[in-house]
Amino acid sequence: QKEVEQDPGPLSVPEGAIVSLNCTYSNSAFQYFMWYRQYSRKGPELLMYTYSSGNKEDGRFTAQVDKSSKYISLFIRDSQPSDSATYLCAMKANFGNEKLTFGTGTRLTIIP
Amino acid sequence: EAQVTQNPRYLITVTGKKLTVTCSQNMNHEYMSWYRQDPGLGLRQIYYSMNVEVTDKGDVPEGYKVSRKEKRNFPLILESPSPNQTSLYFCASSLYTGGNQPQHFGDGTRLSIL
Repeated sequence: QKEVEQDPGPLSVPEGAIVSLNCTYSNSAFQYFMWYRQYSRKGPELLMYTYSSGNKEDGRFTAQVDKSSKYISLFIRDSQPSDSATYLCAMKANFGNEKLTFGTGTRLTIIP
Repeated sequence: EAQVTQNPRYLITVTGKKLTVTCSQNMNHEYMSWYRQDPGLGLRQIYYSMNVEVTDKGDVPEGYKVSRKEKRNFPLILESPSPNQTSLYFCASSLYTGGNQPQHFGDGTRLSIL
């Protein structure tokens, strides 16, 4: 079983819709939770970074972490065609080598 | 502009021919790391470096070497590449280890080993 599970999609939604992306994990040592966006032929770009449980909002993006359920989510409001990309969740423990453990990514397409 | 720069971006080569992928960051970051990205497997860590002259293995180090002689550079060396090392490689860096420091990624190097 993978430490981090992420639905690979693909996911297609109309412009303006609310998008929900999710990951589950099994390692209770994970304390830091991230969402990266990756465009084709580009490296992962950090979108959201949260510590422990709770919500964090940045513009149209909201990240939620529920450590009791080992479940994290990213919500995108008023989705735009420019949001079309692969979204990667990533996590790390509060010790050790700073290694990020990634989900396999969800490919998202916003239809104009 | 703050960035992580990898070279080359694309390379097709043959089995056994030594190659080096360079990684350089201009942010004075202490921590640097290499990942490979494969379909269905996500990104997996190959090697990492906590600071100059300090390197260690990640989850998939077999067939790779690294060095960290200068703070800004962290080259990945494939001494005898094999087809199973065909992959998309990313270098990442962060300011320091511990705490709330995000990692910044380069744009990747696509390697094809024939």
